Amino acid sequence: DTAVSQTPKYLVTQMGNDKSIKCEQNLGHDTMYWYKQDSKKFLKIMFSYNNKELIINETVPNRFSPKSPDKAHLNLHINSLELGDSAVYFCASSQPNQPQHFGDGTRLSIL
Amino acid sequence: QKEVEQNSGPLSVPEGAIASLNCTYSDRGSQSFFWYRQYSGKSPELIMSIYSNGDKEDGRFTAQLNKASQYVSLLIRDSQPSDSATYLCAVTGSGGYNKLIFGAGTRLAVHP
Repeated sequence: DTAVSQTPKYLVTQMGNDKSIKCEQNLGHDTMYWYKQDSKKFLKIMFSYNNKELIINETVPNRFSPKSPDKAHLNLHINSLELGDSAVYFCASSQPNQPQHFGDGTRLSIL
Repeated sequence: QKEVEQNSGPLSVPEGAIASLNCTYSDRGSQSFFWYRQYSGKSPELIMSIYSNGDKEDGRFTAQLNKASQYVSLLIRDSQPSDSATYLCAVTGSGGYNKLIFGAGTRLAVHP
C-alpha cells in the first residue's frame, strides 16, 4: 500500500517523442507536486495542484503540461522531449503547510 | 545568492560521532523548515520538521532553528554507517502554497 506511487519507474525514449508520467496518492492529501532532480541532484519544484487547481507553475518550458483529474492523481505530459529533459521526476503530496511525502521517482533518459 | 545554501560535502565522520549539518536560507518570511534524507537512487525521505526557534529532538536527530540568523541545522548523534546519505535542507517560501525550496544537499559519509 504505497502512499505516493509513480509510473513508470524508468522511461527511456528518443528525442522528439512525447511521454507521460502518472502519479497517485492514497494519503487523502489535497495538494500534489511535481519536482525535477537533475544530474547534480538539485531538486526543484515544477508544478503544484491543490484539489485539482494549479497553484504553483514555475518557469518550465511549455512542453511540460501537468494535469490533475482529481485530487488523488497528478500526471505530467512532456512533448517533444529534449536531451536536457533527462532527469529524475518526483511526485509528492501533502496537506496544506504540512511536510511533503515523495514518490519513488521516474528516471527519464533521452537517447 | 542561492535561496537555500548547504555545504555539499562530503562530510566524513567516524561511527559513533556527532554529525552536524548546516543550512542557511535567504527568505526572511520562511515559516517551515525540513530535513530530508536521500539515499543514492532513492526518493527524499522526511526525517525532521521544525517551525519555531530552538531545538527539536527525535531519537538520534536534533533540528535547530534560528530565524534571526536564517540558519537551520541537523545534528545526528551516534552516527551509523546506515546514516550515510545526502541530507537535503528544505524551506517553504513566504509566497505560500507550501512551495518547498531545496538546498543542493550535503553528502554524509559515516565510516566504521
